[in-house]
Amino acid sequence: QITLKESGPTLVKPTQTLTLTCTFSDFSLTNVGEAVGWIRQPPGKALEWLALIYWDDDKRYSPSLQSRLAITKDTSKKEVVLTMTNMDPVDTATYYCARQFFYGPGGGNWFDHWGQGTLVTVSS
Amino acid sequence: DVQMIQSPSSVSASVGDRVTITCRATQGINTWLAWYQQKPGRAPKLLIYAISTLQSGVPSRFSGSGSGTDFTLTINSLQPEDFATYYCQQGNTFPRTFGQGTKVEFK
Repeated sequence: QITLKESGPTLVKPTQTLTLTCTFSDFSLTNVGEAVGWIRQPPGKALEWLALIYWDDDKRYSPSLQSRLAITKDTSKKEVVLTMTNMDPVDTATYYCARQFFYGPGGGNWFDHWGQGTLVTVSS
Repeated sequence: DVQMIQSPSSVSASVGDRVTITCRATQGINTWLAWYQQKPGRAPKLLIYAISTLQSGVPSRFSGSGSGTDFTLTINSLQPEDFATYYCQQGNTFPRTFGQGTKVEFK
């Protein structure tokens, strides 16, 4: 059974760096097409895609946040880590990690399994 | 960035109703459109991908259609467990983008 779980601080101060870990199971992130992404959702608002890392270590970032984000993976530990620098109260959100699965040439790449999410509050 | 514009932002419906939600992309996204369902306090769940392909286990009362820039999610015979917020997402270009969501509420 594929699972993902986010972990990290629930409260960070403005200007601090946030480090979130996504620990996954039942897939390897070494197969062609596999990827893990991060998506966030401010309270009561819509989903916002942040970053993605592929099995081959290709990385993609939201252009509006690219200068603040870094995504890495450790497949031996089955972890994907997202760091976000210079946190601000507007970054208060539930942060989700999700597996992106390749459904084939006609199917595309979609987030088929999600973690439960972790609420991060930015406040002094 | 491709913007995904959903309408309506909310819809009131009763059990048994047909509900239609639309999603418009600000540029063509080929067939790379998915729909997710999210219930309060829960993670999103993939319902439909590639415009109209149901994810495994999703009831057949859900269907998707459209092409190019205009897409539709239809829920036939709304069930109590379908009251939720629905998001579209494009997978054609980076950054991936989601619609602002449509909340399906009890009438």
